[in-house]
Amino acid sequence: AQTVTQSQPEMSVQEAETVTLSCTYDTSESDYYLFWYKQPPSRQMILVIRQEAYKQQNATENRFSVNFQKAAKSFSLKISDSQLGDAAMYFCAYNAGGTSYGKLTFGQGTILTVHP
Amino acid sequence: DSGVTQTPKHLITATGQRVTLRCSPRSGDLSVYWYQQSLDQGLQFLIQYYNGEERAKGNILERFSAQQFPDLHSELNLSSLELGDSALYFCASSVRLRADTGELFFGEGSRLTVL
Repeated sequence: AQTVTQSQPEMSVQEAETVTLSCTYDTSESDYYLFWYKQPPSRQMILVIRQEAYKQQNATENRFSVNFQKAAKSFSLKISDSQLGDAAMYFCAYNAGGTSYGKLTFGQGTILTVHP
Repeated sequence: DSGVTQTPKHLITATGQRVTLRCSPRSGDLSVYWYQQSLDQGLQFLIQYYNGEERAKGNILERFSAQQFPDLHSELNLSSLELGDSALYFCASSVRLRADTGELFFGEGSRLTVL
């Protein structure tokens, strides 16, 4: 079974600084999809960024980028120029594609605090 | 606002009771997903429907059932409730069948408290 591990229960960063959230996963699949979701206090899960395993290039979305290391099964999220609005719980998620359809396997989450 | 509507937002009930959680997906989305978020288990996938048919099943208890109606809204029924069923239940929707081809849009969740 696929598992997703986020080893940092909490992280903090100063406004305008850079922070990296870690995620590792376990899978026997060669093609799969990885995601970072943000859950602010409003509770609603919001997609931050996604990565297809067959793509070697790391995904970027404005201030958010990932470091995808397929061999190491590592998928970290880097937030640059952190803003107060980035404070939230961040979840790493995995989808095996194919007949997994919409099933996402989530990590335990990392609470990110942004200090002004 | 994701466009996914869940009701009720909060629900308090007693052990042994039955509740129904409702989800209206975004306009045009055919897939509906149910997830459970608890302190013990984290975020867990329960079940997925696509255009009225069950397509994927996760760690959903036998006491729980779901369906998707012709108008595409979905209901999650939880029966014989136990204290451990207290959790935040999320509904999500997407246009396509597979998560790899698109984004899942989540509702704000239904907070269930079982006393």
